[in-house]
Formats: sequence, C-alpha cells, structure tokens
Amino acid sequence: EAGVAQSPRYKIIEKRQSVAFWCNPISGHATLYWYQQILGQGPKLLIQFQNNGVVDDSQLPKDRFSAERLKGVDSTLKIQPAKLEDSAVYLCASSPSGSRSLAKNIQYFGAGTRLSVL
Amino acid sequence: GENVGLHLPTLSVQEGDNSIINCAYSNSASDYFIWYKQESGKGPQFIIDIRSNMDKRQGQRVTVLLNKTVKHLSLQIAATQPGDSAVYFCADYNNAGNMLTFGGGTRLMVKP
Repeated sequence: EAGVAQSPRYKIIEKRQSVAFWCNPISGHATLYWYQQILGQGPKLLIQFQNNGVVDDSQLPKDRFSAERLKGVDSTLKIQPAKLEDSAVYLCASSPSGSRSLAKNIQYFGAGTRLSVL
Repeated sequence: GENVGLHLPTLSVQEGDNSIINCAYSNSASDYFIWYKQESGKGPQFIIDIRSNMDKRQGQRVTVLLNKTVKHLSLQIAATQPGDSAVYFCADYNNAGNMLTFGGGTRLMVKP
C-alpha cells in the first residue's frame, strides 16, 4: 500500500513570498491533516479535513495560511505571504476516519516538506 | 506536551539494553494515547496505542504503560537496536475527540 505522498521535499523562499505544498493521502482515507513541526518540537495540527469539508482549523493562521481539499482526495496548503517564523517541516497525515474508533484514529504521516524562509 | 525548543531530552542506551521513554500529559479527559517514532528526515511513524481503560499494552519488543492517576505514559523498548535511534513522541486525543496533541519528544540514541 502506498503511503502519504508529499511534494516538494524541500523549499527555500524569501519572506513575503508565497509557497504551496501538496499532499496525496493513502487511498481510501477519509480524513486528512496538515501539521506544522518546528525544529525540536512535536507536530502541531493546522487543519483537519473529513472528505472535502473542514473539521478543525482553529490553529490555522488564517491571515496567511489556507488549505483546500476540493475533491476529497489530495490537498494543498498555501502560505501567502511567508514570514521567517514559518520555517518548519509541514507534515501531511491521513487516517481511515476521524471517528474515535481505535484503529481508525491512527494517523499515517508523509515525509513532510521542509520550508526555509530567508 | 511541553515545548522543549531545540534541546530535546535525550536518552542514550547501549545496544541490547532496554529503553524506557517517559511522557507526562496534562489533560485528564484524554482517553486515547499513541506513541510515534520519527527518524531523521521522515514523518512520524505509528508504534503502539492504548486506551485509558487499559494500563498496559504490548507489541513486538514494545510495551506501553499508562498511569492515569499521575497522568504518565511510558514506552518500553526491549533489546534496543541501532534502528531504534529516533525521536519518540507521545500523543493524546483531546476531550473534543478528534485532535491529536503531541508532546515535545525524546531523542533515543543507541550506542553500538
């Protein structure tokens, strides 16, 4: 079974520029998550989708971050404009369901996109 | 979990020894916990999970212990191998049920 695919693996931009990340979840997984992981810290949830609807975006800085999952499969996360403090690894994860069923809550992560903002 | 910045707690063990990685959680309403392993340049990988109605769960070479009284979780790795070297995160579901909150992580280094 193919895992969660993310691209690009690395991105270097200057502050105030825009950037977009792409994620293709595991086939059949209804729930998709975007996390931000700053160096030395655990991942922090930015947004959660159930199919093509947003379940939780309470920690997404909506003045500059946006995400979409138009057809309920792959997703893009955009930052516009980027700030220095956005330098981090952006992880995408998927799970079979967002329900509290034990096995369906396990999230499978992609390798992430490492963003450096100069 | 706590933010430990750039300086992750580090556990250094000899190959073949057992490792114990600890985690404290703060939300007494959390009822589902997961341990993830993250190798350099990779995303977190699921290791083992446990519900709050259990105090112990075993997998292959790994055991998770849960002490709800003191809100403490531990991951035990038997016969630690070089391939176990990674950062280990505990995570719990918040009382709303669907948001996974990660702790700050512990770096495990295995000496040959």
